[in-house]
Amino acid sequence: GQQVMQIPQYQHVQEGEDFTTYCNSSTTLSNIQWYKQRPGGHPVFLIQLVKSGEVKKQKRLTFQFGEAKKNSSLHITATQTTDVGTYFCAGPMQNSNYQLIWGAGTKLIIKP
Amino acid sequence: EPEVTQTPSHQVTQMGQEVILRCVPISNHLYFYWYRQILGQKVEFLVSFYNNEISEKSEIFDDQFSVERPDGSNFTLKIRSTKLEDSAMYFCASRLGRRTEAYEQYFGPGTRLTVT
Repeated sequence: GQQVMQIPQYQHVQEGEDFTTYCNSSTTLSNIQWYKQRPGGHPVFLIQLVKSGEVKKQKRLTFQFGEAKKNSSLHITATQTTDVGTYFCAGPMQNSNYQLIWGAGTKLIIKP
Repeated sequence: EPEVTQTPSHQVTQMGQEVILRCVPISNHLYFYWYRQILGQKVEFLVSFYNNEISEKSEIFDDQFSVERPDGSNFTLKIRSTKLEDSAMYFCASRLGRRTEAYEQYFGPGTRLTVT
């Protein structure tokens, strides 16, 4: 069945280092969404990408959608403690108007 | 800023008991969802609801689950006979509409269900 794979599962960085998470879909996606979940919190919408090759920036966060619309990445420059959490990508299920398929998430951990 | 609310924040129940989880979506939103997240794992879609009926449901959403929008504001998830494996965080989410720019889903803070 349709899958959304996300790697890595965890990433430990020193504060100030960069962080990247990658999302790969088994099928072409009409759009991809990114969410952040702080420890003990709920997913919070970050962004949606729709166009092939799209790149969007939010301050230190850069989101990319691949040309084939099957992969996406989130890159954080110069991580801060406020960036700690799990970052999920999610894409619409094929032949569905409502259902999102979620990646397993990448947990960003700042080394003490 | 409008937000999705959920009650209770934590529910402890015995196996075989019925539970009802409650949500108040954002008032002008049209699409409502329930998700489940087992501790440390991915978010799993359970069901979507639009125009007073279920629009889609996942394999997880079997006959022991039901959803209702009893009035203009509440959206509930009922689990008829809880099992140990139902222990998870349950999130309600709502979405404004189907237009491309309105795909964003707003999540509530969740209800942690513990089945003993």
